[in-house]
Amino acid sequence: QSALTQPASVSGSPGQSITISCTGTSSDVGGFNYVSWYQQHPGKAPKLMIYDVSNRPSGLSHRFSGSKSGNTASLTISGLQAEDEADYYCSSYTTGRTLFGGGTKLTVL
Amino acid sequence: EVQLVESGGGLVQPGGSLRLSCAASGFIFSSYWMSWVRQAPGKGLEWVASIDHFGSEKYYVDSVKGRFTISRDNAKNSLYLQMSSLRAEDTAVYYCAKVYVVPAALDYWGQGTLVTVSS
Repeated sequence: QSALTQPASVSGSPGQSITISCTGTSSDVGGFNYVSWYQQHPGKAPKLMIYDVSNRPSGLSHRFSGSKSGNTASLTISGLQAEDEADYYCSSYTTGRTLFGGGTKLTVL
Repeated sequence: EVQLVESGGGLVQPGGSLRLSCAASGFIFSSYWMSWVRQAPGKGLEWVASIDHFGSEKYYVDSVKGRFTISRDNAKNSLYLQMSSLRAEDTAVYYCAKVYVVPAALDYWGQGTLVTVSS
């Protein structure tokens, strides 16, 4: 059982928007603005998509955005594209350690 | 170009030891925190350990405390993970990752090295 809770799977059609949630507690997600999101394609290393809740690394598509409300963080992908199909992981800092969610498989229909 | 190249993985018996290395290039290694993250076969990501720029602050997931040691050699641009008393549940691909923004955003990852703990 992962420390942060994500839906196992989400799906959407090309051009649509989807949102992946990441639920923690007041000791992690709710207590710090240190939530990150990673994309991982099969057999590849993870890629940082969002850091500090809502910041995008330089050069990353604006189709990816992050937010947080209380103990739940969210990743929204707009204008879905076939190449967005991947596993997505949230992570959050908590005192002295980093937690990951169990991952969400995004299927582009 | 930032590159992180892990090595040292392999098959080890339960109770055994292994030392993973990560060779870094393309950035000023001594200026960044570094981390190890693992992924068991078919499973999700698990943070293992992090170390500060100088090697003085070290943090570990509870399940490896007392068994794993993270270290670095800034003169050699290298990160290490000394693993001992290995268990079957330590079987995973181990990734070396650069910390982009302290404390926990990881912007560059290696391709990983597989550690298999089995008799």
